[in-house]
Amino acid sequence: DAKTTQPNSMESNEEEPVHLPCNHSTISGTDYIHWYRQLPSQGPEYVIHGLTSNVNNRMASLAIAEDRKSSTLILHRATLRDAAVYYCILRVNSGGSNYKLTFGKGTLLTVNP
Amino acid sequence: GAGVSQSPSNKVTEKGKDVELRCDPISGHTALYWYRQRLGQGLEFLIYFQGNSAPDKSGLPSDRFSAERTGESVSTLTIQRTQQEDSAVYLCASSMSGKNIQYFGAGTRLSVL
Repeated sequence: DAKTTQPNSMESNEEEPVHLPCNHSTISGTDYIHWYRQLPSQGPEYVIHGLTSNVNNRMASLAIAEDRKSSTLILHRATLRDAAVYYCILRVNSGGSNYKLTFGKGTLLTVNP
Repeated sequence: GAGVSQSPSNKVTEKGKDVELRCDPISGHTALYWYRQRLGQGLEFLIYFQGNSAPDKSGLPSDRFSAERTGESVSTLTIQRTQQEDSAVYLCASSMSGKNIQYFGAGTRLSVL
């Protein structure tokens, strides 16, 4: 399975931007880059995804390197509610319509008031 | 609208007992996934359903684990003769088709004493 590498933890201050990096050097051409986050005592929550172009939505932005071997999730203004574990995942077709997600340990984001 | 619902939210059982965990996916979602999350770890894939069929059971850790889905809706994960190493949070996710965004429930926290 294609793997991703993320820092174990990062810290940010409230209302400042946060850039969460992810390396995925073995990505293949059809793999989508997905980000999920998991708040304490909750199931993961979808954040954003992309293939080649940068993407923006109401939660975040996703910047994808030109060679697609790395990407960065950008939270424009961190709030205390953004404190969570952020997972960078390559969505791979595992046969038929099976798109099971392979989670690593993610990045624990701490937001300081 | 209603999200993915899992019950019970917490289950404490004695070693050797059987347990059943239930997942109610979002209505109309054809794909359903079960994952397991051990303390401090990322999620591990267990099984994937497309409709009522399970084309990928590759993540089930032993033959004590089984799952079924009926009416292209509710799914039940059964663990027989529970062991202490089965203690974890069991998460269910559904999506409209396999490749779409997965929506997760809050999970069932299983503790085997």
